[in-house]
Amino acid sequence: ELKVEQNPLFLSMQEGKNYTIYCNYSTTSDRLYWYRQDPGKSLESLFVLLSNGAVKQEGRLMASLDTKARLSTLHITAAVHDLSATYFCAVRPRNFGNEKLTFGTGTRLTIIP
Amino acid sequence: DGGITQSPKYLFRKEGQNVTLSCEQNLNHDAMYWYRQDPGQGLRLIYYSQIVNDFQKGDIAEGYSVSREKKESFPLTVTSAQKNPTAFYLCASSTTSSSALYEQYFGPGTRLTVT
Repeated sequence: ELKVEQNPLFLSMQEGKNYTIYCNYSTTSDRLYWYRQDPGKSLESLFVLLSNGAVKQEGRLMASLDTKARLSTLHITAAVHDLSATYFCAVRPRNFGNEKLTFGTGTRLTIIP
Repeated sequence: DGGITQSPKYLFRKEGQNVTLSCEQNLNHDAMYWYRQDPGQGLRLIYYSQIVNDFQKGDIAEGYSVSREKKESFPLTVTSAQKNPTAFYLCASSTTSSSALYEQYFGPGTRLTVT
């Protein structure tokens, strides 16, 4: 059974600081996804990472993937209040024909002014 | 505009009643999914369908049923057998093309409250 673990589960940080959210998964995968969810809202896609060493950046967020370590990171640079949300990673197992994603438990990020 | 719609946004029901949640997409995606999210929790897969007239159970299918008669539609029925139905329900869709990213796009969700 595929397991996806995120840490930390809760993160409170000051504006202007840098921090990293970690996503570990337990089986080989060929796709890793990062999503953002605002309170009471749906999920918004942030990044899709396809291969070992992949790095994607959008604004103050940067995601990377190490398939050998089965680890993805979401790095926040110089945090601003607008980044407060819950962030989920999701993994697609390398299993041809299986379109299921397994989601992590999420990291609730609060940016304090 | 292409996207996924879910209705209603909020739904209140009495215990013991079946209720059907609507999910429609106009993205021409083959695959559709239903997830349940409880407060402060991640997403758990209820059912998914990769093609019309076919669907598979996810991790928590007990007490739920689905149908996939049209490519655009994937309604979810929450039956009276579901012990704790109060939750936020999210529908998603994705393409199944071998060259695709398999990225799932989510609808706005339905918040179901059963009393």
